[in-house]
Amino acid sequence: GAVVSQHPSWVICKSGTSVKIECRSLDFQATTMFWYRQFPKQSLMLMATSNEGSKATYEQGVEKDKFLINHASLTLSTLTVTSAHPEDSSFYICSARDRAGASNQPQHFGDGTRLSIL
Amino acid sequence: AQSVTQPDIHITVSEGASLELRCNYSYGATPYLFWYVQSPGQGLQLLLKYFSGDTLVQGIKGFEAEFKRSQSSFNLRKPSVHWSDAAEYFCAVGSLTASKLTFGTGTRLQVTL
Repeated sequence: GAVVSQHPSWVICKSGTSVKIECRSLDFQATTMFWYRQFPKQSLMLMATSNEGSKATYEQGVEKDKFLINHASLTLSTLTVTSAHPEDSSFYICSARDRAGASNQPQHFGDGTRLSIL
Repeated sequence: AQSVTQPDIHITVSEGASLELRCNYSYGATPYLFWYVQSPGQGLQLLLKYFSGDTLVQGIKGFEAEFKRSQSSFNLRKPSVHWSDAAEYFCAVGSLTASKLTFGTGTRLQVTL
């Protein structure tokens, strides 16, 4: 149980392109999803918290207009990297928490998306 | 502000040997602690978590961790390591609702045969 699917797993595109990454909870509903960024051999840095039916909450230093987040349903959140440039190349990972059960449910992670901007 | 320190960047152990990965945290309230494992190019898998109660928690794949409040530590242990345990291990601390996790920098485990 508690499977989070992330798509695509790997994308290569030209500079200036916008890229959309999907995060789906397959067997549970998630009121809250999280988007992380991970640089090579480094830890995960929280970018934003995605809330179903409302605006995302961004961490300090993360550009809202650059990283657009939409959480239109209880099982889907999307991250769009707008006008991507080489410095946006990274490993992006989403996670989700089951809305059911206790409030201290752990986050379940997707397998990540490797984004390479040429 | 909450923070997590994993002092060991890289650890190498022989298959069959015991393992201990260190994790120290700083948190202003009751911490909720997690260990995750990440294989190359993949997401994170939850190994175990601690919210309250028994300070020794059992996880998947034969891992366990012990919460020591006096030392602000939550070290991960395994009595006998398997080659398939080679991966990156992350300790994380969160709030009551685990809504926002702070991760340590990770420890890369290499297992020699």
